[in-house]
Amino acid sequence: GDSVTQMEGPVTLSEEACLTINCTYTATGYPSLFWYVQYPGEGLQLLLKATKADDKGSNKGFEATYRKETTSFHLEKGSVQVSDSAVYFCALSSGNQFYFGTGTSLTVIP
Amino acid sequence: DTGVSQDPRHKITKRGQNVTFRCDPISEHNRLYWYRQTLGQGPEFLTYFQNEAQLEKSRLLSDRFSAERPKGSFSTLEIQRTEQGDSAMYLCASSFSGVGEKLFFGSGTQLSVL
Repeated sequence: GDSVTQMEGPVTLSEEACLTINCTYTATGYPSLFWYVQYPGEGLQLLLKATKADDKGSNKGFEATYRKETTSFHLEKGSVQVSDSAVYFCALSSGNQFYFGTGTSLTVIP
Repeated sequence: DTGVSQDPRHKITKRGQNVTFRCDPISEHNRLYWYRQTLGQGPEFLTYFQNEAQLEKSRLLSDRFSAERPKGSFSTLEIQRTEQGDSAMYLCASSFSGVGEKLFFGSGTQLSVL
């Protein structure tokens, strides 16, 4: 069945370091891909999305490119801030269903 | 647009009791989803509605769980005869129908079964 596998955490980075969180997917059709973020004490919220191959989603300095050939949707940011500390979830939607990864916790230290 | 709201935020109950949670989706959204999330895991699908119709239910979902969405507006999730393994965060999300539509999540109801 459809599924998402994402890099395990936790990840700890210094402010202004580069971030990559890996995400790969398995899907039978043509899924849409998402990154959701959960800040401490808050609900999940959409960070970015891509709906077809080679699309790049971007928001708040984060980017991810839908790579069909490698079935990946890695999340990247060139310079993280303390305020980026959160749990990041990769997800795909296929038909009417959404499938989430297990989440990667990021802590950014000053 | 006040977002997705869930009530209560926290629920503590004794094993064997019944509990009911409520979700008010974004009013324009016709799809409503329930998920369960435990520590260190991503949201796990429970069930979803399109308008008032419950279109899919997880095969992992016990018969003790039931959900309704009368009139296609708010939804309730009931757990009967709760067990300690039911302790989790219960998340509600809503969306428009269509390819690539994103989910809007509520803050969740944290259930603790003692």
